[in-house]
Amino acid sequence: AQKVTQAQTEISVVEKEDVTLDCVYETRDTTYYLFWYKQPPSGELVFLIRRNSFDEQNEISGRYSWNFQKSTSSFNFTITASQVVDSAVYFCALSGRGDSSYKLIFGSGTRLLVRP
Amino acid sequence: DSGVTQTPKHLITATGQRVTLRCSPRSGDLSVYWYQQSLDQGLQFLIHYYNGEERAKGNILERFSAQQFPDLHSELNLSSLELGDSALYFCASSAGGGGSYNEQFFGPGTRLTVL
Repeated sequence: AQKVTQAQTEISVVEKEDVTLDCVYETRDTTYYLFWYKQPPSGELVFLIRRNSFDEQNEISGRYSWNFQKSTSSFNFTITASQVVDSAVYFCALSGRGDSSYKLIFGSGTRLLVRP
Repeated sequence: DSGVTQTPKHLITATGQRVTLRCSPRSGDLSVYWYQQSLDQGLQFLIHYYNGEERAKGNILERFSAQQFPDLHSELNLSSLELGDSALYFCASSAGGGGSYNEQFFGPGTRLTVL
């Protein structure tokens, strides 16, 4: 079975602090894909990143960075120097192969509140 | 703006009624996916269509049905509505036939409230 766990329900930080959102996944597929989506207060889901299981290089995009570690089945997301506009719910998601490839399995989300 | 459009944005109806949610995918995308986001179940995959054909079903109730039309827009039909069907319904689209190599881009959602 495939599963994504985001143990942090809610995180509150002060602006300019760094914050890491944790994501742990379970899958029996050897090829799979991991995603992060952002859901701001307006409600839409915004795609942030996709990683495949063969690429363990960390990725950095501006203030955002992602750390993928197959050994611990984790795909953590760090926001450096957080800003109020980063306040949102962040979802980690997993997609596999075959019958599992058509759908995203989402974690329960982490609500991030960045206070000024 | 993802390029995926959904109408209506909000829908308020009564138990037992039937509603239709509409989705237009990004230009050029052949796949459409429907997801339901509720407080108790989180974000759940409902169904996937590719170029008019149903490709995969998830946790979709028998009271719900969907289709994708020749112009690639999709409709999700919800009937015999219950209070528990109140949720945010998302449509997403991707370029190819599904598969994890295609990012799914989400529309703004339709918020359904069943009273």
